[in-house]
Amino acid sequence: EPEVTQTPSHQVTQMGQEVILRCVPISNHLYFYWYRQILGQKVEFLVSFYNNEISEKSEIFDDQFSVERPDGSNFTLKIRSTKLEDSAMYFCASSASIWSETQYFGPGTRLLVL
Amino acid sequence: TQLLEQSPQFLSIQEGENLTVYCNSSSVFSSLQWYRQEPGEGPVLLVTVVTGGEVKKLKRLTFQFGDARKDSSLHITAAQTGDTGLYLCAGAGDNYGQNFVFGPGTRLSVLP
Repeated sequence: EPEVTQTPSHQVTQMGQEVILRCVPISNHLYFYWYRQILGQKVEFLVSFYNNEISEKSEIFDDQFSVERPDGSNFTLKIRSTKLEDSAMYFCASSASIWSETQYFGPGTRLLVL
Repeated sequence: TQLLEQSPQFLSIQEGENLTVYCNSSSVFSSLQWYRQEPGEGPVLLVTVVTGGEVKKLKRLTFQFGDARKDSSLHITAAQTGDTGLYLCAGAGDNYGQNFVFGPGTRLSVLP
């Protein structure tokens, strides 16, 4: 069964460093998303991406964040200068179409900023 | 801003018991999804409900979408220890499929 994959599973970084989180969405899906979940809190929407551009973003997704689809399979989230409060699980998700009711989530990347 | 609330926050029951957890909002959602999340893992989709009043069954799990598409329930019959986990509801926001709003979850413990 097709699934969303994410790498790395864990990332430890120093405050102020740049990190890139990688995702491979399900191959025939067209919409891609990033969510985050701070420990003990609920899953929060960050950004959605379609046709090589951001379609929607939340207040959390400020100028320190960027997304890219560098090739036909990968979807990345970059945090330019990490802050302590960026420590969280980051989930990638994908859906088949703009009208799809269902998003499929990857296993997540646990980011720890020291 | 669309918000989802879930109740109860925690639920601990004995194996074999039935239970219902709830997902409520003051907003209308185009669809609602139920996910189950294990610690340190991503949410795993259980079901999507789209039509008001819709009922879907997945083995011992029964999902219902409220008539007004503002609330949903998950009923588990004869709970098993393997049902233990965090149950999340998520609603598709104003823009179809673009912005999922998650509830805080119900943490279920099924004791042997």
